[in-house]
Amino acid sequence: DIQMTQSPSSVSASVGDRITITCRASQGISTWLAWYQQKPGKAPKLLIYAASNLQNGVPSRFSGSGAGKDFTLTISSLQPEDFATYFCQQTFNFPLSFGQGTRLEI
Amino acid sequence: EVQLVESGGGLVQPGGSLRLSCSASGFIFSSYDMHWVRQAAGKALEWVATIGVPGDTYYAGSVKGRFTMSRDNAGDFLYLQMNNLGAGDTATYYCARDLTGHRALDVWGKGTTVTVSS
Repeated sequence: DIQMTQSPSSVSASVGDRITITCRASQGISTWLAWYQQKPGKAPKLLIYAASNLQNGVPSRFSGSGAGKDFTLTISSLQPEDFATYFCQQTFNFPLSFGQGTRLEI
Repeated sequence: EVQLVESGGGLVQPGGSLRLSCSASGFIFSSYDMHWVRQAAGKALEWVATIGVPGDTYYAGSVKGRFTMSRDNAGDFLYLQMNNLGAGDTATYYCARDLTGHRALDVWGKGTTVTVSS
């Protein structure tokens, strides 16, 4: 089974900051990676698929990169609505698996 | 509007059973793979099961042999039959649609909560 490890587990930032979240797979997954945003009490929302493809309707300040084992999610200029928890997910094979999450705090 | 609505959650005793349902609307349900994902309070997302368009199923090791996922393409419903439930199954359960060709989950329901306790 593929393990997904995110870092950091939490990060504090301010509006306008640029932040990067990292996700590492325990084995190579090519670009089979997705990123989600989740706000308290809400369902997750797909941000990025295939490592770098922006889902429809997601602001362009979000971007994803990486291939193989190492991936990043970058938010170029934080907005108030971006403070949430972010999860990566490998979509390479079954069992599908998620990272433990990164909480982005003000 | 594309929508998924889960139901069937509740309080169940250890060793008991529960069937979750997910009603789909706004898209051609029979054309999509579908997933169940769960999340214990304050914890990470955990993939539970997937059903393909032809009805093939895949399960997490933690639920294999206890949970059965099925679909009703005529009625646009997804199901998760959960047997022999334990405390570790306590979570909010989400149904989600597969982004075709990518295995990412592009549409999610709001979730239904399952609590396993005596």
